[in-house]
Amino acid sequence: EVQLVQSGAEVKKPGESLKISCKGSGYSFTSYWIGWVRQMPGKGLEWMGIIYPGDSDTRYSPSFQGQVTISADKSISTAYLQWSSLKASDTAMYYCARHLRSSTSGYYMDVWGKGTTVTVSS
Amino acid sequence: SYVLTQPPSVSVAPGQTARITCGGNNIGSKSVHWYQQKPGQAPVLVVYDDSDRPSGIPERFSGSNSGNTATLTISRVEAGDEADYYCQVWDSSSDHRGVFGGGTKLTVL
Repeated sequence: EVQLVQSGAEVKKPGESLKISCKGSGYSFTSYWIGWVRQMPGKGLEWMGIIYPGDSDTRYSPSFQGQVTISADKSISTAYLQWSSLKASDTAMYYCARHLRSSTSGYYMDVWGKGTTVTVSS
Repeated sequence: SYVLTQPPSVSVAPGQTARITCGGNNIGSKSVHWYQQKPGQAPVLVVYDDSDRPSGIPERFSGSNSGNTATLTISRVEAGDEADYYCQVWDSSSDHRGVFGGGTKLTVL
C-alpha cells in the first residue's frame, strides 16, 4: 500500500525555525515527484512546490519561493518542508502529496498524507 | 498566472445530480483533476485527467471538460458526498506549477 506519513503537530513562536517531514512507503520514492500543499484555517488548498527525490530537482510556486525550502533524503524516503523564520501567517495545515504525470501535461496528486498542523503564536 | 473559478457552494437533495463547475481560460486544453475533502480529513482524488476515476471511487463520480469549463458530476447524491470539492490543473505556461480552484462546498439537503 502506498502511504505518506507526516510528522506531528507543531507549535512555534514567531521567528523560530521549523522542519516538517513526510515519509513515503510502498512505492519507489525516488521515481515520483512529491509536493506540499498549504491549507490555512477555513480556506482552500494552495500548491506550494514539489521535489523529485531522484535528483532533488525542485520547483516552487511564486507565492512560496524564498519563503520555504523543500528538500528530500532519498536514503530514508523522506521529504521535508522547512522555514527559517516563522510568521503567524504560516499557521496552517500542510499536506504532502505524491504527484503523478497527467496524460497530457503536468501532474495530479494521487496519494496524500494526513497533514501536519503548524501553529505559530507568541 | 492561471486562475480557476469555482462556485462557493452547491446544494442538492439526496438522489439528485450535483454538478460542480470549474472555469478557466481555455481549460478544455488542459487536464483537470478533482479532489474531495471532508471536514478534518486530507483531500482525496476522485477524478483525474478530466474523466478518469481512481480505483475505489464510485461510478457516480464523473467529469467532463470543454471550452472554458470543466464539470464534476455526482449522480444519485448521498449524504456522505457532502464535502468540499477542488479542481486542479497544471500551469505549464511559465512556472510549471499546480493550480487549485477556490473550492466548492457541496451541501446535501
